[in-house]
Amino acid sequence: ETGVTQSPTHLIKTRGQQVTLRCSSQSGHNTVSWYQQALGQGPQFIFQYYREEENGRGNFPPRFSGLQFPNYSSELNVNALELDDSALYLCASSLRQEPNSPLHFGNGTRLTVT
Amino acid sequence: AQSVSQHNHHVILSEAASLELGCNYSYGGTVNLFWYVQYPGQHLQLLLKYFSGDPLVKGIKGFEAEFIKSKFSFNLRKPSVQWSDTAEYFCAVVTNAGKSTFGDGTTLTVKP
Repeated sequence: ETGVTQSPTHLIKTRGQQVTLRCSSQSGHNTVSWYQQALGQGPQFIFQYYREEENGRGNFPPRFSGLQFPNYSSELNVNALELDDSALYLCASSLRQEPNSPLHFGNGTRLTVT
Repeated sequence: AQSVSQHNHHVILSEAASLELGCNYSYGGTVNLFWYVQYPGQHLQLLLKYFSGDPLVKGIKGFEAEFIKSKFSFNLRKPSVQWSDTAEYFCAVVTNAGKSTFGDGTTLTVKP
């Protein structure tokens, strides 16, 4: 069983640029969620995708957007990067869209904005 | 807005000591509760979960947690910790609308 994989593992961008992070779900999982984890804090929910549509969103501005593809893989796009966007970005897939379905996390992408 | 509070930021124990990590949440509706663990160099993984039924749930590696609705708590326990339990532990709440909130985590260090 292949777990959740994220790419790239590390990324350095300049303020104002745009970035795309990628995630492949665990086999058989149809729901993908993205989280931002700042140093010393817990993961913060950005949004969730189910059946290729956004299915819930946390307190993040519209410059954070995403996509889910027919094979359930997903992208997180961040426009107009700010210094505070520097964080670990986690992707998590789940077997079902139900809220009691456990999350399976990837290892994350470490984004540094300078 | 819902929130999750983990009161212990860093806990240091000797092997065989008992463990209890606190987790309190604020949300008035139905919740689904989780504990996740992150071992050094690994990704976050599920330790245990509660969404209905017996409020005392058992997870992997001898961990258990008790949901006390009146106290909005979901504390994690283990009677006797091992050096291999050294990790960061996160409590999470997911509402029935699917919105998830994580605590800021508790780092557990177990001395051999």
